[in-house]
Amino acid sequence: DTAVSQTPKYLVTQMGNDKSIKCEQNLGHDTMYWYKQDSKKFLKIMFSYNNKELIINETVPNRFSPKSPDKAHLNLHINSLELGDSAVYFCASSQVNIQYFGAGTRLSVL
Amino acid sequence: AQSVTQLDSHVSVSEGTPVLLRCNYSSSYSPSLFWYVQHPNKGLQLLLKYTSAATLVKGINGFEAEFKKSETSFHLTKPSAHMSDAAEYFCVITGAGSYQLTFGKGTKLSVIP
Repeated sequence: DTAVSQTPKYLVTQMGNDKSIKCEQNLGHDTMYWYKQDSKKFLKIMFSYNNKELIINETVPNRFSPKSPDKAHLNLHINSLELGDSAVYFCASSQVNIQYFGAGTRLSVL
Repeated sequence: AQSVTQLDSHVSVSEGTPVLLRCNYSSSYSPSLFWYVQHPNKGLQLLLKYTSAATLVKGINGFEAEFKKSETSFHLTKPSAHMSDAAEYFCVITGAGSYQLTFGKGTKLSVIP
């Protein structure tokens, strides 16, 4: 069983559309994260939730809205997609300070 | 505040030769440090971690790293490179609350047959 799974793996969409990426972890961890990896492979944290509560909210456009229905899920909704949103988005979960990553969602905005 | 600097964006070695990927850190407190590996089109996998116990840390796939406080370094080494080691490697430091990781910009390791 995959520990941290995200869907879809690939997402191709037009500018202006709204899309969601789902993430689920079966590790029983309390904390989940969303990261954005740009074309130069630089990874930057976007959000973190601990027990369904937002604890890290870096400076990202408010078009990005995370939602955590329970502590095993952290979904990312993006409104009014822009070209610059094209990237690979990684979900992760952790207990203490070791993070386990999903395989990533490659988002391409045309 | 904390940060990590990976000194090489790209390292190329021949198969069977040693690997050295360099990482320096800056932190105002005792950090926890990690190396993660990302194979092409894959997620990140934890290679090893330092959390204030032994300064020489052994990880998976024959990798190890040594925490040197006096040099503020946490370099990753492997005695003999294998083709399957070709990947992107990230040096990572934890934030104050241990929730937030700060990533280096990555080092791409190429292994030449």
